[in-house]
Amino acid sequence: ETGVTQSPTHLIKTRGQQVTLRCSSQSGHNTVSWYQQALGQGPQFIFQYYREEENGRGNFPPRFSGLQFPNYSSELNVNALELDDSALYLCASRLAGDPYEQYFGPGTRLTVT
Amino acid sequence: GNSVTQMEGPVTLSEEAFLTINCTYTATGYPSLFWYVQYPGEGLQLLLKATKADDKGSNKGFEATYRKETTSFHLEKGSVQVSDSAVYFCALSSGNTPLVFGKGTRLSVIA
Repeated sequence: ETGVTQSPTHLIKTRGQQVTLRCSSQSGHNTVSWYQQALGQGPQFIFQYYREEENGRGNFPPRFSGLQFPNYSSELNVNALELDDSALYLCASRLAGDPYEQYFGPGTRLTVT
Repeated sequence: GNSVTQMEGPVTLSEEAFLTINCTYTATGYPSLFWYVQYPGEGLQLLLKATKADDKGSNKGFEATYRKETTSFHLEKGSVQVSDSAVYFCALSSGNTPLVFGKGTRLSVIA
């Protein structure tokens, strides 16, 4: 039990639609990162938020965007869904200044048809 | 850029067998190294870490030693149990950079 929750657990969307995934971090964890894990692959970094501002992004297009809120919750939004967006999406939270301990949520399984 | 290469799976072992999962890395500077475990239907859990050369991380009977000279961080366990069946990921981070993961190695332990 990491104290990080994600919703929904699973969802199915159609190509071209938009989706919002949610994450609730541990209290006090002011840094949240999102990762995409395709089937059979390791997680790939999407972006990171610190104190409600994006402060790092991986190799993902602008249609992947996010928000972080003062209550330690965050969102990942994906517009114009493509089939290749089908994956497990993981959020991870940590205290800023502690690079060693990231706490991962259970993930949201997104299927795009 | 930073990268991690770990042995391909799946790995199937009998209970009480010795486990080694190889991991090598490429990184600038002096990264921290991690092993994460993912049980079926769950997110990632930090299994162990090492933050500098020659450090040994250990947890739940698993061990890995940070070898700078061979850029390796192999995971070992002397006697695996059925409950160790999971996917194991080697990862690194330099300073506050995001985690870079290997592709994962699926371990199945049979009774």
